[in-house]
Amino acid sequence: QVQLQQWGAGLLKPSETLSLTCAVYGGSFSGYYWTWIRQPPGKGLEWIGEISHSGNTNYNPSLKSRVTISVDTSNNQFSLKLSSVTAADTAVYYCARDESYCGNGVCYTGADYWGQGTLVTVSS
Amino acid sequence: SSELTQDPAVSVALGQTVRITCQGDSLRSYYASWYQQKPGQAPVLVIYGKNNRPSGIPDRFSGSSSGNTASLTITGTQAEDEADYYCNSRDSSAKHYVFGTGTKVSVL
Repeated sequence: QVQLQQWGAGLLKPSETLSLTCAVYGGSFSGYYWTWIRQPPGKGLEWIGEISHSGNTNYNPSLKSRVTISVDTSNNQFSLKLSSVTAADTAVYYCARDESYCGNGVCYTGADYWGQGTLVTVSS
Repeated sequence: SSELTQDPAVSVALGQTVRITCQGDSLRSYYASWYQQKPGQAPVLVIYGKNNRPSGIPDRFSGSSSGNTASLTITGTQAEDEADYYCNSRDSSAKHYVFGTGTKVSVL
C-alpha cells in the first residue's frame, strides 16, 4: 500500500521561505510525477508543480519564479520550497503521486495517492 | 486556454442521478480525472482515464467525455456522496496540471 507522509513548518512570516517534504512509502518511486498542490481556505485546488524520479520538473507559471521542487531518490522523498511568501500563500499544501499516461491516442492523468495535508499560515 | 470550468453547485435527491460537467480546451487532448473532497479531508481520485475507477470506488461513479466537455455521473446518489468534486487534466503542452473550479454536490 502506498502512503505519502508530509511535514514542514506551519507558521511563517511574510518574506520567509516555505519548506515542506513528502516521504513515499510502498510502491515504486519511478514512473510517476510527484506533485505539490495547495488549497487556500474555502477555495479550490491549485497545482504548484511536479518532479519525476529523475528530477525533471514542471511548475505552475504563476508560481514558477518562487518555487523549487527537488527529489531525494535514496530516501524516496521530494520537497517543496516557496520563497518570499505572503498572506496569499496561506493554504493547505498537499503532496501527491500523479500517474500520467499518453499512448494509442489516449491521454490521462490522475493523482491517486495524497499526503495528509499541511496547513501553512503566513502571518506577521 | 488551460482553464477547466465547472458549475459551482448542484443538488440531487437521495437515490437519484446527478451529472457534473467540466469544460475546457485541454479536454480535447486529455481525459479528465475526477476527485471527491469532503470537508477537512484530502481529495480522493474517483475516476481517471476514459472511465476507470480506482480500487474501492463504488460503481455508481462513472465518467464520460465528448469534445471539450467531460462529465462525472453519480447514479443512485447516497448521502455520503455530498462533497466537492474537482476535475483535472493536463494542458496541451502536457507540462502543466490543471484543476477545475469545483462543484459542490448537495444531497437532499
